[in-house]
Amino acid sequence: SQQGEEDPQALSIQEGENATMNCSYKTSINNLQWYRQNSGRGLVHLILIRSNEREKHSGRLRVTLDTSKKSSSLLITASRAADTASYFCATNNAGNMLTFGGGTRLMVKP
Amino acid sequence: DGGITQSPKYLFRKEGQNVTLSCEQNLNHDAMYWYRQDPGQGLRLIYYSQIVNDFQKGDIAEGYSVSREKKESFPLTVTSAQKNPTAFYLCASSIDRLAGVDEQFFGPGTRLTVL
Repeated sequence: SQQGEEDPQALSIQEGENATMNCSYKTSINNLQWYRQNSGRGLVHLILIRSNEREKHSGRLRVTLDTSKKSSSLLITASRAADTASYFCATNNAGNMLTFGGGTRLMVKP
Repeated sequence: DGGITQSPKYLFRKEGQNVTLSCEQNLNHDAMYWYRQDPGQGLRLIYYSQIVNDFQKGDIAEGYSVSREKKESFPLTVTSAQKNPTAFYLCASSIDRLAGVDEQFFGPGTRLTVL
């Protein structure tokens, strides 16, 4: 079952621009997490936001969570070519499992 | 890729053969997970284990088996019953919390191709 759905599926921007990715989910959650995956590699955890939080920052990353709309967004500011990757949201809604969305493929052109 | 290793990186299998993918972690995590990723898709959970000698089926367990004899190791066997096993397999681990799961740490993955 796919709890989170990212939008857009693909995004192409110029270096220095901001990139925004959205995630929608269906059921109530304990927390929502964002991961990054470079091509052919494992996933790397970026940020976790709990259900009682509305916004979190980590470096150039800003995550928001709107539990009333069951949605989250990931903003990468001042993007770099090295930010080119796939980005996944994952929800923890019960127990010790995460449910991942299909991802947004971000390309940052130099 | 943290303290999780997966081997081999690439694996080729003939139809009808069972193959075992290795996953080892030195993070002292109780929980371990196996995911399958198809091209351009997200991750789907195959099996997970919260403690030694115990494991649970995920969303797509059919055709797969696991064991958890040691805390550090969680091997995945892809059996001949798995109809379409060609995929990228990712192992992960996390601290086991009663209140839910926080960050998962991922290995580098094994790409399995059926010839």
